[in-house]
Amino acid sequence: GIQVEQSPPDLILQEGANSTLRCNFSDSVNNLQWFHQNPWGQLINLFYIPSGTKQNGRLSATTVATERYSLLYISSSQTTDSGVYFCAVEPQGGSEKLVFGKGTKLTVNP
Amino acid sequence: DTGVSQNPRHKITKRGQNVTFRCDPISEHNRLYWYRQTLGQGPEFLTYFQNEAQLEKSRLLSDRFSAERPKGSFSTLEIQRTEQGDSAMYLCASSPLRVSEAFFGQGTRLTVV
Repeated sequence: GIQVEQSPPDLILQEGANSTLRCNFSDSVNNLQWFHQNPWGQLINLFYIPSGTKQNGRLSATTVATERYSLLYISSSQTTDSGVYFCAVEPQGGSEKLVFGKGTKLTVNP
Repeated sequence: DTGVSQNPRHKITKRGQNVTFRCDPISEHNRLYWYRQTLGQGPEFLTYFQNEAQLEKSRLLSDRFSAERPKGSFSTLEIQRTEQGDSAMYLCASSPLRVSEAFFGQGTRLTVV
């Protein structure tokens, strides 16, 4: 099945710093989503981005489907950005499920 | 109704007992999914419904697990004869038909002692 790799696995920043999280996937996909998992375990939707670039406040994302990767940019990070960021893809070929990476754990220190 | 709702939020059970979780999707969403997440891992797919039809099941879903969505609205996930390895966060998600953007509930954290 499709493989989803996220890097880095862990990231520690000072408040105000910028960061880039990467998601590589091994096969063609119909869809790609980025999530932030809060300390209580809920997955919060950040972006639905099968291709192209989107921005939402301090966050933006770019997916280059032909090269099988996506990037999540966080600018001017805040302590509330801490948590685990997941990339999830829906493989082409009829399956409707999402396949998740292992996540990037982000810690933003004051 | 502004989101996916799961109940209970936490469940502690003794090994060998049966447990049932409920998921109420976003009301206009036809698709409903169950995932399981263990510590330090990303969620893993368990099963998927389109309306009341269960269209796909993962090999992770052993014969002790059963899921239903009887009227195409809420869904239940039952685990029979629980084992310690079943301890995990169980996540439900829903999405509309035309755009498969999934929205997740708060999850049910199961601890088997």
